Amino acid sequence: AQSVTQLDSQVPVFEEAPVELRCNYSSSVSVYLFWYVQYPNQGLQLLLKYLSGSTLVKGINGFEAEFNKSQTSFHLRKPSVHISDTAEYFCAVSNYGGSQGNLIFGKGTKLSVKP
Amino acid sequence: KAGVTQTPRYLIKTRGQQVTLSCSPISGHRSVSWYQQTPGQGLQFLFEYFSETQRNKGNFPGRFSGRQFSNSRSEMNVSTLELGDSALYLCASSLGTATSTDTQYFGPGTRLTVL
Repeated sequence: AQSVTQLDSQVPVFEEAPVELRCNYSSSVSVYLFWYVQYPNQGLQLLLKYLSGSTLVKGINGFEAEFNKSQTSFHLRKPSVHISDTAEYFCAVSNYGGSQGNLIFGKGTKLSVKP
Repeated sequence: KAGVTQTPRYLIKTRGQQVTLSCSPISGHRSVSWYQQTPGQGLQFLFEYFSETQRNKGNFPGRFSGRQFSNSRSEMNVSTLELGDSALYLCASSLGTATSTDTQYFGPGTRLTVL
């Protein structure tokens, strides 16, 4: 069985500071990895995904994530955050080669950007 | 291209009633997945439909059911509602190829409150 652990439930940070949101996963098979963002009263929006190839993945809104197979991690980073980045961020996995219709999500990290 | 639409956006029901939620995927998408989001359990996969067939199912009781129509629109039904069914129900669509690396696109969700 697969599982996803987001190590921080809340991350407060000041505007223009860097941020890292941590994600670790557990799986006995290879996986695809994703980061989604959810703004208040909205659905989820894909930030980036790792399918294969380069372990550094660049996404939308200046976010990037690095896949580390040995540490089973997929941490999300942004060098300089904006007030508008305040939202909840979810890390997710799905089975390599399987249907992507079944995503396993972490519990989420609420990013709060303060002026 | 229009996004994923879900109706209704908000719903209030009482215990014991049943409810039907609707999801219209992005045009051309054949896979529809449903997720339940609650503060306690987070995002949990309910089921996935592809070409009118249930392809995957999560660990939910039989009171939760779904179906997909020939135009890829999907409905989910919850019978004999319980207080714990109060949640945001999210629908996601994707192209749905068998060994999919597609992106899932999420709708805004239906907020169900059970009194």
